[in-house]
Amino acid sequence: QVQLVQSGSELKKPGASVKVSCKASGYTFTSDAMNWVRQAPGQGLEWMGWIDTNTGNPMYAQDFTGRFVFSLDTSVNTAYLQISGLKADDTAVYYCARDSQGAVAVTWGQGTLVTVSS
Amino acid sequence: SYELTQPPSVSVSPGQTARITCSGDALPRKYAYWYQQKSGQAPVLVIYEDSKRPSGIPERFSGSSSGTMATLTVSGAQVEDEAAYYCYSFDSSGNLKGVFGGGTKLTVL
Repeated sequence: QVQLVQSGSELKKPGASVKVSCKASGYTFTSDAMNWVRQAPGQGLEWMGWIDTNTGNPMYAQDFTGRFVFSLDTSVNTAYLQISGLKADDTAVYYCARDSQGAVAVTWGQGTLVTVSS
Repeated sequence: SYELTQPPSVSVSPGQTARITCSGDALPRKYAYWYQQKSGQAPVLVIYEDSKRPSGIPERFSGSSSGTMATLTVSGAQVEDEAAYYCYSFDSSGNLKGVFGGGTKLTVL
């Protein structure tokens, strides 16, 4: 079955970097775009952007330019989110979510909690 | 930047119909999507392209869109439908940038 499995929780200090992985299985990885979504504690969902898994071309939402980078390793069917210069308000659960057949974010990963604290 | 507006909360008794609205200027031209998120879980798509229901989603969930408002309807709401619901759509710029609404907490009691 279609599955997205994300990497485990991370605890980082301010200013550090983190790389979250999202490993896909059960479908052709390069056929469907991958979205990234942030959810701060007790808050709503924020769409961060998406990456075209066929071309590697990313699209970032306005608030997620500069420190946020989407990337792929198609040899292992994995998408990545890298965040640099971490700040306390980057503390959140980060989700990957796959588009399918014209529908947005059909399948979601389990989420990765990134905690930024000194 | 583009925004989608949802009421913070909706409350119904079991068996009643719950309606959750989502307003946005681009909704006449862009599809709405709806996601259910139960406490501590990842979101689940319940409606796509305004009114289509993914396989496995109960028939009591339906969607509609008219003008600048999309609506998620839960007919005969059940206790297990208690969750946060988020609408999602795209801005009208044509660059495929999406946005979530602020979310609506549905209480069924």
